[in-house]
Amino acid sequence: AAGVIQSPRHLIKEKRETATLKCYPIPRHDTVYWYQQGPGQDPQFLISFYEKMQSDKGSIPDRFSAQQFSDYHSELNMSSLELGDSALYFCASSLEGVTDTQYFGPGTRLTVL
Amino acid sequence: AQSVTQPDIHITVSEGASLELRCNYSYGATPYLFWYVQSPGQGLQLLLKYFSGDTLVQGIKGFEAEFKRSQSSFNLRKPSVHWSDAAEYFCAVGVQGAQKLVFGQGTRLTINP
Repeated sequence: AAGVIQSPRHLIKEKRETATLKCYPIPRHDTVYWYQQGPGQDPQFLISFYEKMQSDKGSIPDRFSAQQFSDYHSELNMSSLELGDSALYFCASSLEGVTDTQYFGPGTRLTVL
Repeated sequence: AQSVTQPDIHITVSEGASLELRCNYSYGATPYLFWYVQSPGQGLQLLLKYFSGDTLVQGIKGFEAEFKRSQSSFNLRKPSVHWSDAAEYFCAVGVQGAQKLVFGQGTRLTINP
């Protein structure tokens, strides 16, 4: 079965640079979520989109922005990167929000040097 | 605010022994409850979920969990663990009216041969 696809899988950036993470949901899934998992920590919710509209927002820094496109894929844009942004970034997708199960992608490991 | 507590940060069991991982949640309404497993450097794989109905739910890889409303718990069990079960296990609650999952801190499971 098709799964959530994330690209790139690994990304190395310098401080103050920008990064773009991409997420391709499971076909027919209309909701996309972004989570950040720091080393040794649990995943923290950043933001979600339903039918291309932002549906919920967590502890996402103002330096980060995201959107969902007409084909339902999503991009997380991160600017002015800081050392503390180094983490595993997960995308998940579902049908109809939390009333359905969130399926997670393999994650993008971002390292900021 | 909703929260999830996994009291055990690290558990070690012998291969073939039974397993129970604890999860307690704090949430005013009936929650949607999930268990995910994460192998090192990997994404989150859904083991099982509870939305409503039968309080004992069966999942993949021989895992089961029981929802106990009176104890606000959703403990994960397996009668006989295998070395391949070594991983990080996360309990999560889905919040009605929002679209995020709130995760517990995770329990790292080590299997002794």
